[in-house]
Order: sequence, then structure tokens, then C-alpha cells
Amino acid sequence: AQSVTQLGSHVSVSEGALVLLRCNYSSSVPPYLFWYVQYPNQGLQLLLKYTSAATLVKGINGFEAEFKKSETSFHLTKPSAHMSDAAEYFCAVSDHSGNTPLVFGKGTRLSVIA
Amino acid sequence: DAMVIQNPRYQVTQFGKPVTLSCSQTLNHNVMYWYQQKSSQAPKLLFHYYDKDFNNEADTPDNFQSRRPNTSFCFLDIRSPGLGDAAMYLCATSRDRDRGKFFGPGTRLTVL
Repeated sequence: AQSVTQLGSHVSVSEGALVLLRCNYSSSVPPYLFWYVQYPNQGLQLLLKYTSAATLVKGINGFEAEFKKSETSFHLTKPSAHMSDAAEYFCAVSDHSGNTPLVFGKGTRLSVIA
Repeated sequence: DAMVIQNPRYQVTQFGKPVTLSCSQTLNHNVMYWYQQKSSQAPKLLFHYYDKDFNNEADTPDNFQSRRPNTSFCFLDIRSPGLGDAAMYLCATSRDRDRGKFFGPGTRLTVL
């Protein structure tokens, strides 16, 4: 079985500060890992994904994440927060077979303070 | 632009009155998914179609049904909505084993 744990249901940062959203995964097989962003009353938008190529993955809106097998982590970072980054962020995991659905973490709400 | 469209964006129904939510896609993806997302929770997969093959999650209530008449459209039918079914319903698509799903904007269902 696969699962993800997002540490911190709510993270608050100042505008211009580093954004760090934590995600740890559990998987008995090599995982695919994803970060999604959800703005209020909207669907989920894919930020980036790890599919066993480069361990440092760059996504949209200046976000990136690094897959660290030794730490079973896939933390999301952005060097400088912008007000428009305020949203809910979900980490998700699946396997390589395509036969299992995405398993989502519980989400982390990011607030950006001016 | 290729996209996933959900109609309506907001749906209000009465307790026990059947309701149908619609999803269409212009991506020509062969896999379509329905997720339920309750307030402040992660999306929960209800079921998905891989081409015409229907795959129901083990804990999806019988009250929820789905139809996929063609590649582009997929419907979620709730036969007898209860108050606990109030949620955001998200449709998503993907191409085969590409795990990057494209999500629609969602339909927010209110049950009175």
C-alpha cells in the first residue's frame, strides 16, 4: 500500500520568503510522486511530477521538488513566495503500473503574508 | 485549448432527489476519474473508466453510479443524495499510464 504524509496542515510565510512544504511517502515499489495546487472553488492543477528521471524536478510558477529516496521525501520549495501562491497544496503518490489510483495527502494550506 | 469541463459548477439538490453531474474533455484521454472532496480534506477516488472498463473503488457507496457513453463524456449519478454527500466533485482525465492527471474545475454539490 502507498501513502503520503504532509507535515503541517497550515504553513504561513511572508511575501518574498522561502516556501517549504513537506511530503513524505511510503511505498513498497518505486513511486511516482506529484504535487498539485488547488485555489478556492477550483479543481487541482498539476505543479510537477517525479517519474524516476531526474531527482530534482522543476514545475510551474517557480516551484521545484527533490526526490530523496533515503529520506522517503518529496518536499516542495519555492525561493520567494508571492501573494498569488496562497492556496491548498496536495502531495500524491502512485506506482509505475498505472493500475493503482493516486493517493493524496491531506493537504497543506499556504498563506502568504504581505 | 484542450481541457476538462464540468457542468454545472454549482448544484443544489434536495435530500433523496437524484442528481447527475457532467464531465467532458477535449484531451482525448482514455482514462476518466471521479473524485469526491469534502471540506478541508483530500480528494477521494470514487471510480474510474479505463476506456470502457469501469473500475469501482471498494468503499464507494452504491448510491454513486457512473456512465461513460463515449470517450469525451462521463457522468456521475447520485441516486439518493444524503446530507453527507455534500462535497466538491472533481473529474479528472489521463492518458494511459501517464499519471499526470488533468482536473476539471469541480462541481460543488449542496444537499438541502
